[in-house]
Amino acid sequence: EDKVVQSPLSLVVHEGDTVTLNCSYEVTNFRSLLWYKQEKKAPTFLFMLTSSGIEKKSGRLSSILDKKELFSILNITATQTGDSAVYLCAVGTSGTYKYIFGTGTRLKVLA
Amino acid sequence: AAGVIQSPRHLIKEKRETATLKCYPIPRHDTVYWYQQGPGQDPQFLISFYEKMQSDKGSIPDRFSAQQFSDYHSELNMSSLELGDSALYFCASTISSYNSPLHFGNGTRLTVT
Repeated sequence: EDKVVQSPLSLVVHEGDTVTLNCSYEVTNFRSLLWYKQEKKAPTFLFMLTSSGIEKKSGRLSSILDKKELFSILNITATQTGDSAVYLCAVGTSGTYKYIFGTGTRLKVLA
Repeated sequence: AAGVIQSPRHLIKEKRETATLKCYPIPRHDTVYWYQQGPGQDPQFLISFYEKMQSDKGSIPDRFSAQQFSDYHSELNMSSLELGDSALYFCASTISSYNSPLHFGNGTRLTVT
C-alpha cells in the first residue's frame, strides 16, 4: 500500500530558529512530491520536486528530494511567527490520478 | 489569477439529509480531485476526474457520488449524511499533461447535526 510519512508530527520553535521537516514515502511509480503550507484554509503550494538532488528555494524555504532513500526535506531558516502552520507533503504516482498526503507537521513559531 | 472556486463555503445539514458540493477548477485544468479533511487530520483522497471521466477512487463511501461536467466543473453528492461526514471538503485541480501541482480551493465546511 502506498504510504507517505511525515516527521515530526509537531514542532515548537522560537523566532529565528531553523527547522527541518521530513517526508518519507513508499509508493509504486513515483512521479512527484509536493510540499504545501496549510493555515486555517486551503493548502497553499510551496514546491514540486521530481528529480533527486536539485534544491528548490523560495526565500527562507528550501526543499530537496532523495529518490534513492525515498525522502524529502523542507528547510525553513530564520523562522517567523507567520511560518506557523501545518506543512503537508503529498506524493503523486505515474499512471494514477491521485496524490497521497502525509499526516503533516504542525509547526508553531513563538515570538 | 483565477483560482479553484468551491461552493458553498459552509453547509449545515441534519443526519440523513443530502448535500451537494460544487467545484469550479482553474480554466484549462482538466483534472479535478476531491479530498476530505477531518479536524487535525491530513486530506483523504476521495475521487478524481480526468476529462470528465472518473480516473481514480479513494476512500469515498458508497453514499457519495461525484461527476465532472462538460464545462469541467465537478459536483460531489452526499446522501444519507452521518455525523462523521462533518469535515472540510477540498477540491483541487491540475493539468494532467504537465507535471504540475494541485491547486486547492478554499474548501466547503460541512457540519452534520
